[in-house]
Amino acid sequence: GENVEQHPSTLSVQEGDSAVIKCTYSDSASNYFPWYKQELGKRPQLIIDIRSNVGEKKDQRIAVTLNKTAKHFSLHITETQPEDSAVYFCAAGDSGGYQKVTFGTGTKLQVIP
Amino acid sequence: GAVVSQHPSWVICKSGTSVKIECRSLDFQATTMFWYRQFPKQSLMLMATSNEGSKATYEQGVEKDKFLINHASLTLSTLTVTSAHPEDSSFYICSARPPFSSGGTGELFFGEGSRLTVL
Repeated sequence: GENVEQHPSTLSVQEGDSAVIKCTYSDSASNYFPWYKQELGKRPQLIIDIRSNVGEKKDQRIAVTLNKTAKHFSLHITETQPEDSAVYFCAAGDSGGYQKVTFGTGTKLQVIP
Repeated sequence: GAVVSQHPSWVICKSGTSVKIECRSLDFQATTMFWYRQFPKQSLMLMATSNEGSKATYEQGVEKDKFLINHASLTLSTLTVTSAHPEDSSFYICSARPPFSSGGTGELFFGEGSRLTVL
């Protein structure tokens, strides 16, 4: 099955700086790579996703890059703000209705004002 | 976005009793729902995939007889923790995705989660 590793487990940045979270996956068949943000006591919510036919995707301050050859993908958050503080999970799998995704171990991001 | 609702949000029970958690897709039909367990400061561990009208698919290491899953309709899946013990205390969360035929994009929508405490 799929195995997703995520680093770092914790990350502290100053407000305004950039944050980068990296993930690797094992199953070359995976073609869908979402990133979820989970604030304390709340449900995970999708912030951005990328499919295997795309190498990079950007949405305002958030970008994701994918290297299928190396089986790794990264989340980049620029101009971080205190409200970006949360736990971020990467995942890999398939986006089909019955298909599961495997989550990484999570990164706790703290943005220091 | 789509809405997935979970109930109850928290429950306390005595050791040896059974607890049922419901997961509902409120504005779409879900033939598949996913159940996860999340320990404090840890990731979402997939327990099983719930399939409408058929048996659930359990992940390796998850006890089928302990965590009973029923997906009786296209909008409701239930997880029953049977003969609960303190080590079953955890945060249980479900997710589902609207089908592509209904405008879904592959995004998983999560329920609020249910915190189970077994005394």
